[in-house]
Amino acid sequence: SAVISQKPSRDICQRGTSLTIQCQVDSQVTMMFWYRQQPGQSLTLIATANQGSEATYESGFVIDKFPISRPNLTFSTLTVSNMSPEDSSIYLCSVASGASNTGELFFGEGSRLTVL
Amino acid sequence: AQSVTQLDSQVPVFEEAPVELRCNYSSSVSVYLFWYVQYPNQGLQLLLKYLSGSTLVKGINGFEAEFNKSQTSFHLRKPSVHISDTAEYFCAVRNTGFQKLVFGTGTRLLVSP
Repeated sequence: SAVISQKPSRDICQRGTSLTIQCQVDSQVTMMFWYRQQPGQSLTLIATANQGSEATYESGFVIDKFPISRPNLTFSTLTVSNMSPEDSSIYLCSVASGASNTGELFFGEGSRLTVL
Repeated sequence: AQSVTQLDSQVPVFEEAPVELRCNYSSSVSVYLFWYVQYPNQGLQLLLKYLSGSTLVKGINGFEAEFNKSQTSFHLRKPSVHISDTAEYFCAVRNTGFQKLVFGTGTRLLVSP
């Protein structure tokens, strides 16, 4: 299993500002995933972050809006840039289990952002 | 590409009654299937998973699910629910070659006394 810590757990932000969310894992992992969960909605994958390479973004998400860093095998950040009220969501970091072929993803507690 | 359909957005049930949460998936390749639970203001917790082998999978908290390849379904069941089972339940699928997980829209289970 993997223990994932996210910071901040929640924040209230002003329109037009940017916020960086941190994700720390207690073990080395190859792939980290960032998901968004809008109010009352399911989880949507934003991007996949591999250490040492550019993140791979899903359709509808762009690097300028959601820049991601992956400096090592235990840490990643997601920045939500130039925020608007539509960005109010829970942002979740997840990683695959140590044996990658089991398919299980572990999730952090999420970062709940409210944009005013 | 894979997709997941959870037809029931909300399922109300009385305590100690049985419950079934439906999940259907679509994929052109072999898949792994998962059920996650999200309690209010918390992250996601894995309930159970199907990778291969027996089509009846048992998970935590008394839940089980059955993989039906011909019907492309992976319905979640519990014979007797508790108030504490009130939560959002997500079905998810990924193909066996890649770790990207695709989620359904979720089913809110509401257990009342």
